[in-house]
Amino acid sequence: DGGITQSPKYLFRKEGQNVTLSCEQNLNHDAMYWYRQDPGQGLRLIYYSQIVNDFQKGDIAEGYSVSREKKESFPLTVTSAQKNPTAFYLCASSIDASPDTQYFGPGTRLTVL
Amino acid sequence: GESVGLHLPTLSVQEGDNSIINCAYSNSASDYFIWYKQESGKGPQFIIDIRSNMDKRQGQRVTVLLNKTVKHLSLQIAATQPGDSAVYFCAERKTGRRALTFGSGTRLQVQP
Repeated sequence: DGGITQSPKYLFRKEGQNVTLSCEQNLNHDAMYWYRQDPGQGLRLIYYSQIVNDFQKGDIAEGYSVSREKKESFPLTVTSAQKNPTAFYLCASSIDASPDTQYFGPGTRLTVL
Repeated sequence: GESVGLHLPTLSVQEGDNSIINCAYSNSASDYFIWYKQESGKGPQFIIDIRSNMDKRQGQRVTVLLNKTVKHLSLQIAATQPGDSAVYFCAERKTGRRALTFGSGTRLQVQP
């Protein structure tokens, strides 16, 4: 069963703690992305990676970090430096070839207590 | 800055009617556009896409129209069903840029 998986579905953390969100894909896609979605709003790009061991900042990278050690995995760490971390986080992947359509995982809802 | 936006935040239609969801974009350098459907608590689901060298593309029960002259994108859903109720996002990609820029979404409510 191919697709993009994100875990956990719900995550709670105390203020001041770092937390890592998992994203795995078995679609053999080269490119992977992290977006943040706030209630009633569209998606905003945090980071993206076009190839293993390389990644680029998106529009709202401050307070976040990523790694891309394997093609199928692109974990996102929400650090204590992120001022408003409570949000719905979405991971996506694409084949890195035209038209390069992005396909999304089910999301992780992070709540900071 | 340049952005993608939507005209109507909520659209309510009767089951069986056709739905039209509109999107305005301001970036003339965008070469690719996508419509996504998002149900509550889930990730966006790809519906249909269109390149900037086209003005119309049809899928199963859906049609996307692109008017580059007025920078307008629309999604038409034929014979709308209760399962179509969701938030619909348009997204654009600028030429040479990998990431998508999303609009704020339109909620489609289908009345039985």
